[in-house]
Amino acid sequence: QVQLVESGGGVVQPGRSLRLSCAVSGFTFSTYGMHWVRQAPGKGLEWVAIISYDGRYRYYADFVGGRFTISRDNSNNTLYLQMSSLRPDDTAVYYCAKDPGYCSGGFCPSNWFDPWGRGTLVTVSS
Amino acid sequence: VMTQSPATLSVSPGERATLSCRASQSVGTKIAWYQQKAGQTPRLLIHTTSTRATGIPARFSGSGSGTEFTLTINTLQSEDFAVYYCQQYNNWPLTFGGGTKVEIK
Repeated sequence: QVQLVESGGGVVQPGRSLRLSCAVSGFTFSTYGMHWVRQAPGKGLEWVAIISYDGRYRYYADFVGGRFTISRDNSNNTLYLQMSSLRPDDTAVYYCAKDPGYCSGGFCPSNWFDPWGRGTLVTVSS
Repeated sequence: VMTQSPATLSVSPGERATLSCRASQSVGTKIAWYQQKAGQTPRLLIHTTSTRATGIPARFSGSGSGTEFTLTINTLQSEDFAVYYCQQYNNWPLTFGGGTKVEIK
């Protein structure tokens, strides 16, 4: 059974940093790309970032503006999102999600999300 | 930009719901749909415009191409009342529509 469990959320002051984790089980983590998607309270979904199966390729939403870094540790089946210079409008539930795309020896993301973790809430407030 | 309409759709159980999603530029058939029930995680329903994800009932169907897309839910069940999001993955950045809430009439 595929499981994605996020952690690391909490209340943080504007301008500070936070690192989110996503522990994965139930599939070969090192074979698939992974995404972060966020959802502000009462709002819609917003894609944040993607990382390739081997960590070589990373793409970010424009609003990230160099403040976030997506990374992964395939030996520990864990995805990360390092967030710095946090702003109040970064307040959201952050979900990790698996990209189902796979091709041998390459990065072939499907760029849709399945499945999703349960999310971790990040609140940026003074 | 992805635009979903209507924002809220009131439907009686057993009826059909038709949800629309419009892209500001062509996305081919690279559209996915997700369902999010209150307090729950989003769930993939459909990808590539019309391919149902594993375990998704046949009453959910998708259609369209280019800039106009539709999610149809036939014979609405009580568990189908939720918010539905479309997402394009033809262009970077990946973007979602604002969602359509399907509520009980």
